[in-house]
Amino acid sequence: AQTVTQSQPEMSVQEAETVTLSCTYDTSESDYYLFWYKQPPSRQMILVIRQEAYKQQNATENRFSVNFQKAAKSFSLKISDSQLGDAAMYFCAYRKYNNNDMRFGAGTRLTVKP
Amino acid sequence: GAGVSQTPSNKVTEKGKYVELRCDPISGHTALYWYRQSLGQGPEFLIYFQGTGAADDSGLPNDRFFAVRPEGSVSTLKIQRTERGDSAVYLCASSFGLAGREGVAGELFFGEGSRLTVL
Repeated sequence: AQTVTQSQPEMSVQEAETVTLSCTYDTSESDYYLFWYKQPPSRQMILVIRQEAYKQQNATENRFSVNFQKAAKSFSLKISDSQLGDAAMYFCAYRKYNNNDMRFGAGTRLTVKP
Repeated sequence: GAGVSQTPSNKVTEKGKYVELRCDPISGHTALYWYRQSLGQGPEFLIYFQGTGAADDSGLPNDRFFAVRPEGSVSTLKIQRTERGDSAVYLCASSFGLAGREGVAGELFFGEGSRLTVL
């Protein structure tokens, strides 16, 4: 079974600084997708960034980037120039290729201090 | 609609009552998912539909939980004889289809959830 582990229940960052959220996963598959979702108090999960396992290049989306280490099964999220609006729960998720089973970690609550 | 719509936003019920939660997915999305999110936890998979059929219902906790999608669009999650432990946010998501096929990158689009409180 695939599991996703987020070892940081809470993280805090100063506005304009950089923060890294950790995620590890367990799988025997070689093809899969990894995601970071953001969940603000409104409860709606919003996709932040995705990574295809077959791609060696780390995905980036503006201030958000990932460090994907396939051999180590690690998928961390880096938020640069943190903004107050980045404060939310962040969930790491894994999804098999050609499969609809998406698994989530327990989440990391990010606080941004002004 | 423009996004995934879930109703009701909040539902308070008494133990033992029957509850229905509705999900209206994004138009054109063939896949629909139900997740349950308990306080302080990540979403937990319940059931997935491809079209009208439940392709995977392995996450349903017991036979009190049932979901339908009769016309391949709107889905209803039904909970019989509710228990206090059923209290959670029930999230619905939709997507184009299987991740990896036809260029689908596997993103799920979520609604805002239905918060169920069983007293």
